[in-house]
Amino acid sequence: AQSVTQLDSQVPVFEEAPVELRCNYSSSVSVYLFWYVQYPNQGLQLLLKYLSGSTLVKGINGFEAEFNKSQTSFHLRKPSVHISDTAEYFCAVRSRGNTDKLIFGTGTRLQVFP
Amino acid sequence: DADVTQTPRNRITKTGKRIMLECSQTKGHDRMYWYRQDPGLGLRLIYYSFDVKDINKGEISDGYSVSRQAQAKFSLSLESAIPNQTALYFCATSDPNRGLDEAFFGQGTRLTVV
Repeated sequence: AQSVTQLDSQVPVFEEAPVELRCNYSSSVSVYLFWYVQYPNQGLQLLLKYLSGSTLVKGINGFEAEFNKSQTSFHLRKPSVHISDTAEYFCAVRSRGNTDKLIFGTGTRLQVFP
Repeated sequence: DADVTQTPRNRITKTGKRIMLECSQTKGHDRMYWYRQDPGLGLRLIYYSFDVKDINKGEISDGYSVSRQAQAKFSLSLESAIPNQTALYFCATSDPNRGLDEAFFGQGTRLTVV
């Protein structure tokens, strides 16, 4: 079985500062990894995904994430955040092999201050 | 129109009542999921279905049941609602067989049990 850990429940940051949201996973098999964003009172929207290939993945809204197999991590980064990035961010994992379901972390609330 | 539609969007019900949340999709995806979201706990999987004849329990299936009436429809029932089932419920779809490993979410149903 796989699991996802998002260590930071809240991350406060000032506008135009860089940010990193941490995600670690555990799985006995290879995985697919995802980051989703949830804006207030909305559903979840895919930010980016890692399936295979380059370990640096670029997503929407200037976000990127790096898959690190040895550290079992998939941290999300943005070099300069905007007020509009204030939202909840969820990391998710699915094991390869077409047999398993999508498991989510507990979420990180990013609060961007002016 | 949304690709994944949940009805109702909001519902208040009394303890002990039976309630059904409905989900329909126009994406033609094989897999459908029900999650609940609680503050600080992220999204937890209730049930998932890989096709009409394949339904599986998730992490927190107790107190819930589901029905996959057709490829496009997946309903979640609370046979006897209790207050700790107050949460935001999300339906999602995916189709890994078409290379769509990520989940596509509905807008959510906010359920309050009083």
